[in-house]
Amino acid sequence: GAGVSQSPSNKVTEKGKDVELRCDPISGHTALYWYRQSLGQGLEFLIYFQGNSAPDKSGLPSDRFSAERTGGSVSTLTIQRTQQEDSAVYLCASSLDNRETQYFGPGTRLLVL
Amino acid sequence: AQTVTQSQPEMSVQEAETVTLSCTYDTSESDYYLFWYKQPPSRQMILVIRQEAYKQQNATENRFSVNFQKAAKSFSLKISDSQLGDAAMYFCAYRTLYSGAGSYQLTFGKGTKLSVIP
Repeated sequence: GAGVSQSPSNKVTEKGKDVELRCDPISGHTALYWYRQSLGQGLEFLIYFQGNSAPDKSGLPSDRFSAERTGGSVSTLTIQRTQQEDSAVYLCASSLDNRETQYFGPGTRLLVL
Repeated sequence: AQTVTQSQPEMSVQEAETVTLSCTYDTSESDYYLFWYKQPPSRQMILVIRQEAYKQQNATENRFSVNFQKAAKSFSLKISDSQLGDAAMYFCAYRTLYSGAGSYQLTFGKGTKLSVIP
């Protein structure tokens, strides 16, 4: 079946602009995760959604980062007033439930000029 | 907090040979999951193998096997009969079995870049 999809594949933006990154999880997966992969910091957890429960935002680096998940499916990660240090690959993953293996999408490469 | 260490930033192996990638981790928990993920240049993280800490038997998946030493907190990945398509970044990851804030995330090592020489 279809895997996790993410869009756009690449995004170039100017410092100070807002960006939205989209994730479509595997159909039927109730858990969804966002990670950030950067050269300096490696892979970092950002946020986790499980069904209709309140998201776990413990990994968000600042209040410029937010995410929502509509209808228990598609998720959007929003970065406001982007900074150059936000440049990274943003990976989305989903799992059947929060105890099962996480399957990743191809990521969105964000470059902030 | 748990930490995962991959001490080999880069490794290389001849095609058809065997290579072992190292991973150690630090945790005070007794039950957890360990994973190896592969990330080729396409950026897609692909699950290679998963190990539950409560299982004594080492996980295997075709040419991929692990050596899980719980007491030593070591979790190495062995790739047999290496193929050109195995060239990628390999990440070791840890996940707790317990619930609570931040508990469902994967904690990753820094990765090992594997090159396969024809």
